[in-house]
Amino acid sequence: GQQVQQSPASLVLQEGENAELQCNFSTSLNSMQWFYQRPGGSLVSLFYNPSGTKHSGRLTSTTVIKERRSSLHISSSQTTDSGTYLCALEANSGTYQRFGTGTKLQVVP
Amino acid sequence: DAGVTQTPRHEVAEKGQTIILKCEPVSGHNDLFWYRQTKIQGLELLSYFRSKSLMEDGGAFKDRFKAEMLNSSFSTLKIQPTEPKDSAVYLCASSFNWGPSYEQYFGPGTRLTVL
Repeated sequence: GQQVQQSPASLVLQEGENAELQCNFSTSLNSMQWFYQRPGGSLVSLFYNPSGTKHSGRLTSTTVIKERRSSLHISSSQTTDSGTYLCALEANSGTYQRFGTGTKLQVVP
Repeated sequence: DAGVTQTPRHEVAEKGQTIILKCEPVSGHNDLFWYRQTKIQGLELLSYFRSKSLMEDGGAFKDRFKAEMLNSSFSTLKIQPTEPKDSAVYLCASSFNWGPSYEQYFGPGTRLTVL
C-alpha cells in the first residue's frame, strides 16, 4: 500500500493566509524531506527534517516520529508560493526515499 | 559546487526510436536516482544506484528502460524503443549516504515528448 500520504491534494489560499500541509506515513521513519516544485520546474529541497521542528523564513517543518506524521506550515502566503509541495521519507529499513503524491497550492491575490 | 546536471533539457522522439538521457550527480555523492514524473502518476522511481551498483531497477520499467552508471560521475538512462506513453519529465537526483543526512538533490529534468 501507499506508504506516504499527503493532504490536502490541493489548496487555494488568499494571499496573506496561512497553510498547513500534512504528510502521513505508515512505516517507521529514518528521515523526512520536503520539496517544492514550481510548474514545469525541478524539485528544490525546503527541509531535511528527520525529527523535531525546523524554521526557514515563513516556512516551518515539524516531524513527529511517534505519530508518523510531518507537517509544513506556510505563514503569510504569497503568490510566489504557488506550486506543488512534496514530502519524501526514508524508511527505517535504510532504503531510498519514497515520495508522497504532493499538495498543489495556489495562492491568489 | 555544481548541482546535478541533466542533458538534454528537452527531447522529441518518434515512436520506436532509442533515446539516451544523461546525468552528472553532485561531486562526491554516492547514490544516484532516476525518476519519471507525470501529472497522473506523480514521481516514479526508475533506477537507484549506490556506489555505482544497481540497487533498484524499477520493476515495471525493466523491459524498455535501462540505466547505467559508467563511473561515479556519470549515468545514462536509455529508453528503447520509445512509446508515446513515455512522454514525461525524467529527473535525476543524487545524495550522500555515508553520514546521518540523506538529503536528495535534483537536476532540472529532461522533458521527453514521444510522437
